[in-house]
Amino acid sequence: GESVGLHLPTLSVQEGDNSIINCAYSNSASDYFIWYKQESGKGPQFIIDIRSNMDKRQGQRVTVLLNKTVKHLSLQIAATQPGDSAVYFCAEIQGGGADGLTFGKGTHLIIQP
Amino acid sequence: GAGVSQSPRYKVAKRGQDVALRCDPISGHVSLFWYQQALGQGPEFLTYFQNEAQLDKSGLPSDRFFAERPEGSVSTLKIQRTQQEDSAVYLCASSLYQNTEAFFGQGTRLTVV
Repeated sequence: GESVGLHLPTLSVQEGDNSIINCAYSNSASDYFIWYKQESGKGPQFIIDIRSNMDKRQGQRVTVLLNKTVKHLSLQIAATQPGDSAVYFCAEIQGGGADGLTFGKGTHLIIQP
Repeated sequence: GAGVSQSPRYKVAKRGQDVALRCDPISGHVSLFWYQQALGQGPEFLTYFQNEAQLDKSGLPSDRFFAERPEGSVSTLKIQRTQQEDSAVYLCASSLYQNTEAFFGQGTRLTVV
């Protein structure tokens, strides 16, 4: 089974509000996590990453939080814009030489005007 | 520079036909990955190359799937005797090294009729 999953398939927020997208993972050996954004008809686009020796990382309007105790990852998007509408995936890379990313099923973020 | 390029963007194959999907990674990227993305799902890992060496093919769903990267740059994913369940978007990604940011192409949408 998948070791990465998301709590909500769809999240609807008002334009200008903050969004929080959650992700649970089950493999404690995972040491690298990435959030991707995928718009319709396009490949996943890197947003932000975090390694297991960190618990928070900030980018432009985005923040990723990692809670290793409960194996939880979240993506916060500040002041959401219409262009943020997309499906968001968390993905993990396990340690120990495992290859490739393991993706969750995705959360569809809908921005309401 | 150019991103990851995949061709064709769309492919319709009759059941039983062989298909070949091409990936041009970012120049100089050592790692190359193939993923399969079914409709409404996250990408699923198929195979991984480090230069010309195929280090992991554990995700290939059957022996009808074959991938190669003979000169360590362009890669081809071949599917023999296509079946309807092969219908999906096939994504290629490359990264400078393993466990660094992976950049995805736009994918090839394969429809088997």
